Amino acid sequence: SQQGEEDPQALSIQEGENATMNCSYKTSINNLQWYRQNSGRGLVHLILIRSNEREKHSGRLRVTLDTSKKSSSLLITASRAADTASYFCANTGNQFYFGTGTSLTVIP
Amino acid sequence: DADVTQTPRNRITKTGKRIMLECSQTKGHDRMYWYRQDPGLGLRLIYYSFDVKDINKGEISDGYSVSRQAQAKFSLSLESAIPNQTALYFCATSEGTSTYNEQFFGPGTRLTVL
Repeated sequence: SQQGEEDPQALSIQEGENATMNCSYKTSINNLQWYRQNSGRGLVHLILIRSNEREKHSGRLRVTLDTSKKSSSLLITASRAADTASYFCANTGNQFYFGTGTSLTVIP
Repeated sequence: DADVTQTPRNRITKTGKRIMLECSQTKGHDRMYWYRQDPGLGLRLIYYSFDVKDINKGEISDGYSVSRQAQAKFSLSLESAIPNQTALYFCATSEGTSTYNEQFFGPGTRLTVL
């Protein structure tokens, strides 16, 4: 399977703390996107990091990519209750290979 | 996202029944996708289409078929539904041919096969 593995599967933090989630693949990474899913709803794109990039920022999001280790991480700083959702990475080529997801709960 | 709509939103059916899930988009995108989501497994690709005349199998196409009736419409059929096809199904679209393009998802169809 070319599906990505994400860890942790679930993460619970207090509001204001940082949340870090990791994603790894067994196959090489083309470009890597991160998506967010509120409970039972469609995924929404958060950020893209290209294969030739190592780090990218967007607001409170910081994404890193290590193509040699076939892995990526998503950091959400100063978390808010509204960040509670599931987060998925996706290795993108002609097809998208999504990760298994991290469920984040931010406690007010 | 109101630009990608799915019908029905919920469906309960019985083993052996034929089911069609429909997806429509107003984004004008050429590429459309069908995924299923199971707890702990993330999203897995069933079929995808790069234009009206192009249909491709994804990772888990067995037991499913699709039809691309127009640029804006992409339907997923379960010819003879079975209980392990119980899942949340998502349609998605993307623009153009670049692998940098994001996908836009519909709200999902929750399918239960008894």
